[in-house]
Amino acid sequence: KQEVTQIPAALSVPEGENLVLNCSFTDSAIYNLQWFRQDPGKGLTSLLLIQSSQREQTSGRLNASLDKSSGRSTLYIAASQPGDSATYLCAVPETSGSRLTFGEGTQLTVNP
Amino acid sequence: DAGVTQSPTHLIKTRGQQVTLRCSPKSGHDTVSWYQQALGQGPQFIFQYYEEEERQRGNFPDRFSGHQFPNYSSELNVNALLLGDSALYLCASSPPRTGGVTGELFFGEGSRLTVL
Repeated sequence: KQEVTQIPAALSVPEGENLVLNCSFTDSAIYNLQWFRQDPGKGLTSLLLIQSSQREQTSGRLNASLDKSSGRSTLYIAASQPGDSATYLCAVPETSGSRLTFGEGTQLTVNP
Repeated sequence: DAGVTQSPTHLIKTRGQQVTLRCSPKSGHDTVSWYQQALGQGPQFIFQYYEEEERQRGNFPDRFSGHQFPNYSSELNVNALLLGDSALYLCASSPPRTGGVTGELFFGEGSRLTVL
């Protein structure tokens, strides 16, 4: 059974800092890994999708890397802003098109 | 291009009642999945519908049932509500599979269910 862990559970940083969020998974036979953002009481917004054949994906100030062999992914946020404050979730499907297994998220607060 | 839409956004029920939640997938998507998210936790998979059939199911009791219509929209039904069913219910859609590669999942804003 796939298990996904996110560290840290919460993070508070001053504006402008570069930061790294971590995601680990127990079964390396994944098809892809997806990072989401969730604002309080809201749905999930897809940030980045990394296919299993890729090592990283970038979108603006966000960069996600994937190391299947070690069962890890990192989400790098450059020059953090107060608007980045949210919960960040990573998720992996067990097989193609199947259910996503989520971590419990990292709650990020960026202080002005 | 409308994204995934869910209704209602909020609802309050009492124990023992039944509830129906609705989801319209993103344009061009044919697969719909439902997730339950308790406060402070990651979403948990309930089930997935494709071609109007339940394809996969998570560890949820039979009180949770669903349906997918020919236009790909979907409903989630929960019978005999319990206090523990209070949660944010999220619908996600994904595009037709190409060569077995999983498409990106897109989520709606969710339906917040409170059971009193």
